[in-house]
Amino acid sequence: QKEVEQNSGPLSVPEGAIASLNCTYSDRGSQSFFWYRQYSGKSPELIMFIYSNGDKEDGRFTAQLNKASQYVSLLIRDSQPSDSATYLCAVRALTGGGNKLTFGTGTQLKVEL
Amino acid sequence: DGGITQSPKYLFRKEGQNVTLSCEQNLNHDAMYWYRQDPGQGLRLIYYSQIVNDFQKGDIAEGYSVSREKKESFPLTVTSAQKNPTAFYLCASTPQGRRNTEAFFGQGTRLTVV
Repeated sequence: QKEVEQNSGPLSVPEGAIASLNCTYSDRGSQSFFWYRQYSGKSPELIMFIYSNGDKEDGRFTAQLNKASQYVSLLIRDSQPSDSATYLCAVRALTGGGNKLTFGTGTQLKVEL
Repeated sequence: DGGITQSPKYLFRKEGQNVTLSCEQNLNHDAMYWYRQDPGQGLRLIYYSQIVNDFQKGDIAEGYSVSREKKESFPLTVTSAQKNPTAFYLCASTPQGRRNTEAFFGQGTRLTVV
């Protein structure tokens, strides 16, 4: 089982719709959860982080965390063509070697006009 | 300005050669990471270091080596043992002790075997 799993997509949504991106993780000791956006050939950039169960909203983005189900999601409201990118879920866990930051394989999002 | 600098941006390696990718940060971060990204894939952890003179293997450490002699620097050597090194390599850093702190990334090095 992969430590962090995402559906690779592509996920296609029409402009103005809600895009829902999902991520599951295997380590119950995971402490922090991050969503990054990555455009082709570029470095990832942070969208949001969450570490408490529930929802966290920031503008058009909402992160949801359910530690019991080991599940984290990202909702993008009013999707725009500029949101078309790969979205990476990252999980930070405390290991014997210290904090370890593990990424999923990413979900490609396409917002269509 | 604080940040992470990776160099070179593009690197070409001949078969059987070792090459070293540079990663320097002036953010005073304790933890540093190396990731590999193949086309259409996510980031896979190669090595990470929480403190000077200490580092741990990630998920795909075979064929790679690192050192952490200074807090600011975490170079990655791609050895001849790495049979398929062509990829995009990303270096990242985080401070320690704060769980909600994001990772800061360098601009990446694109390595190609010729």
